[in-house]
Amino acid sequence: SQTIHQWPATLVQPVGSPLSLECTVEGTSNPNLYWYRQAAGRGLQLLFYSVGIGQISSEVPQNLSASRPQDRQFILSSKKLLLSDSGFYLCASTFPDRIGTQYFGPGTRLTVL
Amino acid sequence: GENVEQHPSTLSVQEGDSAVIKCTYSDSASNYFPWYKQELGKRPQLIIDIRSNVGEKKDQRIAVTLNKTAKHFSLHITETQPEDSAVYFCAGRSNAGGTSYGKLTFGQGTILTVHP
Repeated sequence: SQTIHQWPATLVQPVGSPLSLECTVEGTSNPNLYWYRQAAGRGLQLLFYSVGIGQISSEVPQNLSASRPQDRQFILSSKKLLLSDSGFYLCASTFPDRIGTQYFGPGTRLTVL
Repeated sequence: GENVEQHPSTLSVQEGDSAVIKCTYSDSASNYFPWYKQELGKRPQLIIDIRSNVGEKKDQRIAVTLNKTAKHFSLHITETQPEDSAVYFCAGRSNAGGTSYGKLTFGQGTILTVHP
């Protein structure tokens, strides 16, 4: 079946600490993968997307980075978190049954203190 | 790039009434328009989508209409129920330049409240 996993589910980190969020996808190969951030009560902001291993495109310049070391693995990282990095981080994937449709993972809620 | 505007930002209806949310888009090359429902603290869930080769699509109490000439599309929910209360997002995908990565541009969201 087609499933998107994200971990951790919740995370509380101090300002200046590093970050690593992981997303893995099951039930497909060569998906398009996306990282979104949603601030409290706000809309969806696209951060990065990837069409293949090692191929990353950035939508918003900031202190975050993304990597895709394997076909179905997408990682979001930061070397030093800012207070403004707090939010709900969502990974999305396309699946072959519906071309172009994005499905979201369960998300990681990040609080930076 | 694509710009998607969504209205209203909040919508309050009585149970059993209809609800309509409207979105406009800027890129005439856009060809795919999904709608997502997001309940508090959860992920956005796809509820219906429409491609540019059709003008209307219906799934039980939910329908979406698309007017390519005017570049707007709408979500219609009939016989609303309290469990329809959520934030609804529209999105548009441009195929300009033959891009294959399927980037979606989202509207700002509509908070729908259905009162029992």
